[in-house]
Amino acid sequence: AQSVTQLDSHVSVSEGTPVLLRCNYSSSYSPSLFWYVQHPNKGLQLLLKYTSAATLVKGINGFEAEFKKSETSFHLTKPSAHMSDAAEYFCVVSDVEGAQKLVFGQGTRLTINP
Amino acid sequence: KAGVTQTPRYLIKTRGQQVTLSCSPISGHRSVSWYQQTPGQGLQFLFEYFSETQRNKGNFPGRFSGRQFSNSRSEMNVSTLELGDSALYLCASSYDLPHFEQFFGPGTRLTVL
Repeated sequence: AQSVTQLDSHVSVSEGTPVLLRCNYSSSYSPSLFWYVQHPNKGLQLLLKYTSAATLVKGINGFEAEFKKSETSFHLTKPSAHMSDAAEYFCVVSDVEGAQKLVFGQGTRLTINP
Repeated sequence: KAGVTQTPRYLIKTRGQQVTLSCSPISGHRSVSWYQQTPGQGLQFLFEYFSETQRNKGNFPGRFSGRQFSNSRSEMNVSTLELGDSALYLCASSYDLPHFEQFFGPGTRLTVL
């Protein structure tokens, strides 16, 4: 089965500084990978997705992620954090090739300090 | 275009009861998936429906069931509720493969007392 590991349960950065949320995946095939964000008491919102096209994926709100097959990583970055970025972030892999079944990481809580 | 809607948003039940949750997908989406979110287990896949058929299933007991109607709306049912069923239940819809990014609803918060 496929799996994802989010290496940090909590990340805290100052407003205006870069954000790095780390994710490693395990997959027996070429995976589809996603990052979702969940604000308090809200549903999940898709930030970006990788589906075997360009390895550098740009998403919404200035986020981007790079797929590195050799490192089995899909880290999420943003050059400059904003207060509104404070939320829970989930790295996600499709469980079965081509299937509508997602496997979520445990999440990383991002805190932004003023 | 309206997003995924879930009703009710909050629900309180007691052990042993059953509950039905409803999900209306985005117009044109034919795949509906359900997930359970708890602090201990995180987000876990329950099942996925497409064209009124269950296409994928997660590792949950048979007390958890679902169905999909011809208009793609979906319901999930949990019978004989247990305290551990307290969770946020999220519904997601998508077009069929390969464009399968899933769009999530706000969830139904179920509390079992």
